[in-house]
Amino acid sequence: NAGVTQTPKFRVLKTGQSMTLLCAQDMNHEYMYWYRQDPGMGLRLIHYSVGEGTTAKGEVPDGYNVSRLKKQNFLLGLESAAPSQTSVYFCASSYPFRGVHQETQYFGPGTRLLVL
Amino acid sequence: QKEVEQDPGPLSVPEGAIVSLNCTYSNSAFQYFMWYRQYSRKGPELLMYTYSSGNKEDGRFTAQVDKSSKYISLFIRDSQPSDSATYLCAMSAGSTGGGNKLTFGTGTQLKVEL
Repeated sequence: NAGVTQTPKFRVLKTGQSMTLLCAQDMNHEYMYWYRQDPGMGLRLIHYSVGEGTTAKGEVPDGYNVSRLKKQNFLLGLESAAPSQTSVYFCASSYPFRGVHQETQYFGPGTRLLVL
Repeated sequence: QKEVEQDPGPLSVPEGAIVSLNCTYSNSAFQYFMWYRQYSRKGPELLMYTYSSGNKEDGRFTAQVDKSSKYISLFIRDSQPSDSATYLCAMSAGSTGGGNKLTFGTGTQLKVEL
C-alpha cells in the first residue's frame, strides 16, 4: 500500500496563476483533509470531506476550492494564487469517528508551494 | 490567544536524556489528545493517542493528560538521535459525521545530540 500520496511535490507559481494539488489514498478511508503548514502557525485545516461527493470548509478556506469526485481522491484548487498561499500543503485521510475512538489521520508527504 | 499553545523550541538534549514536551489548551471540550512526530520534509505521523485524562505508555514514550489543568505532556526516555524531529500535539472534541477535525499546536523542534 502506498498510503497517502500527493502530487506534485514542489511547485512555483506566479501571482494570479491557478493550479490543482492532487491527493490520493489507497486505504479506503471515508474522510479526507487538506491542511497548510506555516512557520509559527502549525497545521491549519483548509477543507475536508466526509465522503465521496461531499466537502466542507475548515479553518482557513478562503482562496481554495476542493472536490471529491472519487472516494480515493481529494483535489485542492487555487484559482488565483497569491503570495500569502506560499506554504507546505498536507493531505490526510482517516476512517470516520467511532464514538470513543478518535481515528488516526494518515498524512501524505506534502507539497511545497511557492507563489511569487 | 491560540486554542493550543506549544513552545516551538528548539530543544537540544544529549543522547540518553529524558525529554519532556508540553502543550496547554483552552477549549474544555477537547477530550482526544494526540502527539504526532514530523521528520524534516515529511508528513506528520501519529505517535501517541490518549482519550480523556490519564497516562499512556508505549515503549520509551509516555503521554500524560491533565484535563483539570488543560495540560498535556509527552515524555521520551533514553532519547536517541533518531528521535530528532518536530513533535506536534493535536486535540479534538470528537465528531459524529462532521469530520475528525484536529486542532494542532505549532510543534516543538527536538534535537538529540550524540
